[in-house]
Amino acid sequence: AQSVTQLDSHVSVSEGTPVLLRCNYSSSYSPSLFWYVQHPNKGLQLLLKYTSAATLVKGINGFEAEFKKSETSFHLTKPSAHMSDAAEYFCVVSLSGSARQLTFGSGTQLTVLP
Amino acid sequence: DSGVTQTPKHLITATGQRVTLRCSPRSGDLSVYWYQQSLDQGLQFLIQYYNGEERAKGNILERFSAQQFPDLHSELNLSSLELGDSALYFCASSSRDSRETQYFGPGTRLLVL
Repeated sequence: AQSVTQLDSHVSVSEGTPVLLRCNYSSSYSPSLFWYVQHPNKGLQLLLKYTSAATLVKGINGFEAEFKKSETSFHLTKPSAHMSDAAEYFCVVSLSGSARQLTFGSGTQLTVLP
Repeated sequence: DSGVTQTPKHLITATGQRVTLRCSPRSGDLSVYWYQQSLDQGLQFLIQYYNGEERAKGNILERFSAQQFPDLHSELNLSSLELGDSALYFCASSSRDSRETQYFGPGTRLLVL
């Protein structure tokens, strides 16, 4: 079975300060890992994905995530938050193999303060 | 814009009714996935179709069914609706079903009164 745990349901940062959204995963097999973002009343947009290539993955809008197998973590970071980053972020795992359904974390609501 | 379209955007109906949600995948994508997002359950995978055939099932109720047509668009049918079926329903598509990114549509917001 596969699962993801997002360690914080809410994160609040000031504009211009670093962002850290934490995610731990559980998977019996080699997983693919993703971060998606959902802005209010919008669909889900892919930020970045890890599929067993480089462990440090760069995504859109200055976000990046590091896959750490020893810690079973895939934390999302950004050096400097922008007001437009305020949204809900989902850590997602997908198993290798023929079944490609995604398992979503419970989400982290990011608030960016002026 | 992901290239995945969903209609309608909003749907309001009554308990006991039946509705159909439609999804058109990105051009060339063979796989379609349906997800439900609700406040109490979060985002859950419902069902996957690949090139017209059911490939995987998740937490889909027996009152719900889906199909994928020869032109690759998909429909999710929800019947005997209950208040608890009120949710945002997303469709996603990917080019194949192995290690490919899923691109999500804007969703259909269903309200059951």
